[in-house]
Amino acid sequence: DQQVKQNSPSLSVQEGRISILNCDYTNSMFDYFLWYKKYPAEGPTFLISISSIKDKNEDGRFTVFLNKSAKHLSLHIVPSQPGDSAVYFCAAGTTQGGSEKLVFGKGMKLTVNP
Amino acid sequence: DAGITQSPRHKVTETGTPVTLRCHQTENHRYMYWYRQDPGHGLRLIHYSYGVKDTDKGEVSDGYSVSRSKTEDFLLTLESATSSQTSVYFCAISAVSSGNTIYFGEGSWLTVV
Repeated sequence: DQQVKQNSPSLSVQEGRISILNCDYTNSMFDYFLWYKKYPAEGPTFLISISSIKDKNEDGRFTVFLNKSAKHLSLHIVPSQPGDSAVYFCAAGTTQGGSEKLVFGKGMKLTVNP
Repeated sequence: DAGITQSPRHKVTETGTPVTLRCHQTENHRYMYWYRQDPGHGLRLIHYSYGVKDTDKGEVSDGYSVSRSKTEDFLLTLESATSSQTSVYFCAISAVSSGNTIYFGEGSWLTVV
C-alpha cells in the first residue's frame, strides 16, 4: 500500500508559467515532508521541506504548501525555467521515527518547454 | 555537494557473481543509507546504518548485506547478483536520526547480465 502517492507521472509546462506538482499521503503520523529534484544520471538533490506546524514554506521560486486535513502537499515553481526539467520526488516522514522511515513517492517528470 | 562519493559509478556483472558498492562520506555524519531506484517504484531503502558496526534492514533488504567498519565508509554487497538487482543504487547520509534532510550521492548504475 502506497503511503506517499504522486499520481501524475509527468507534467509539461511552458517556460515562465507556474508548475504545480502534487503529492498525497495516507499516514496521518507524517509530520515533515521534503521535495527532491533529480536530473538524469545524477543523485536526487534536496529542494525544500516543510514541517506540519506550517502550511507554507517558500524558497525563491519554490513554494511548498501543506494541507493536513486533505493529506496533500504541493510544490509550486514560479516562474518555471527549462533548467527545472527533472524528476521530482516527494517524501514524508515522522519526527518521532528515524530518517530510515522516510517514504518516497514514485516521482513525477517535469518538462519545461522554452 | 553533499560530500558523498560512490564507487563504482557504473558496473556490468554476471549473474551469480558477488558485487560490492562503496559509499564514502567526508561529512562525518552518523547515519548512512543505501537506496535503490527503479521505474515505477521510486526510491526504496535497502539497508541503513546508525553508527560504526550498527546496521539494520530496510524495505528491500533480501539479497543484500552491508558493513560499516569506519564512520566514513558504508559498503553494500550483493552476495550473488541476480538480474532483478539491476538498478541504480544511491547512498545517502544524514546528520541526525529524524526530522532532518538526507543527502544523496550521485548513484551507482549496476547491470546484472
